[in-house]
Amino acid sequence: EVQLVESGGGLVQPGRSLKLSCAASGFTFTNYYMAWVRQAPKKGLEWVATISTSGSRTYYPDSVKGRFTISRDNAKSSLYLQMNSLKSEDTATYYCARHRYGGYSYFDYWGQGVMVTVSS
Amino acid sequence: DIQMTQSPASLSASLGETVSIECLASEGIFNNLAWYQQKPGKSPQLLIYGASSLQDGVPSRFSGSGSGTQFSLKISGMQSEDEGIYYCQQGYKNYTFGAGTRLELK
Repeated sequence: EVQLVESGGGLVQPGRSLKLSCAASGFTFTNYYMAWVRQAPKKGLEWVATISTSGSRTYYPDSVKGRFTISRDNAKSSLYLQMNSLKSEDTATYYCARHRYGGYSYFDYWGQGVMVTVSS
Repeated sequence: DIQMTQSPASLSASLGETVSIECLASEGIFNNLAWYQQKPGKSPQLLIYGASSLQDGVPSRFSGSGSGTQFSLKISGMQSEDEGIYYCQQGYKNYTFGAGTRLELK
């Protein structure tokens, strides 16, 4: 059974940093791209970052490019999101997701999510 | 960025009724489209990928169609467990989601 378990969320002041983690199990982690997708309270879904199987390629939307960094540790089957210079608009539930990347690109498994609140 | 427009924003359906949700892309995305269901307090679950391919374990009453810029999700026979918010997502150029369609049981 595929499991994705996020951790590291919490309350952080604007301008500060936070690092999220995602522990993966139930599949061969090294074979899959991985991603982070967020959802602001009562809002829709927004893709935040994607990383290739080896970690050599990363992709971001303009809204977080230069502030967020996605990384992975294949030996630990773990995914990370380093978030710097946080803004109030980054307040959201952050989901770790397995990214089926290729001909069709979609997210086939999601974690339960972790809440990040950016507020003074 | 490719914009995804869903309609309607909300709808209610009776048990057994057939439901359709539309998704319009601002430019052509071939059939690189997925549909997700999200229930309150839960993470999204993949229903359809490649516009019409059913994800393993998803009931066959769910079906998807379309290509280019116009897509639809159909539920053939509404069940109580189908209540939730449905999102489309394009995977052609970066990844953007529609705003969601809230489906309730009438």
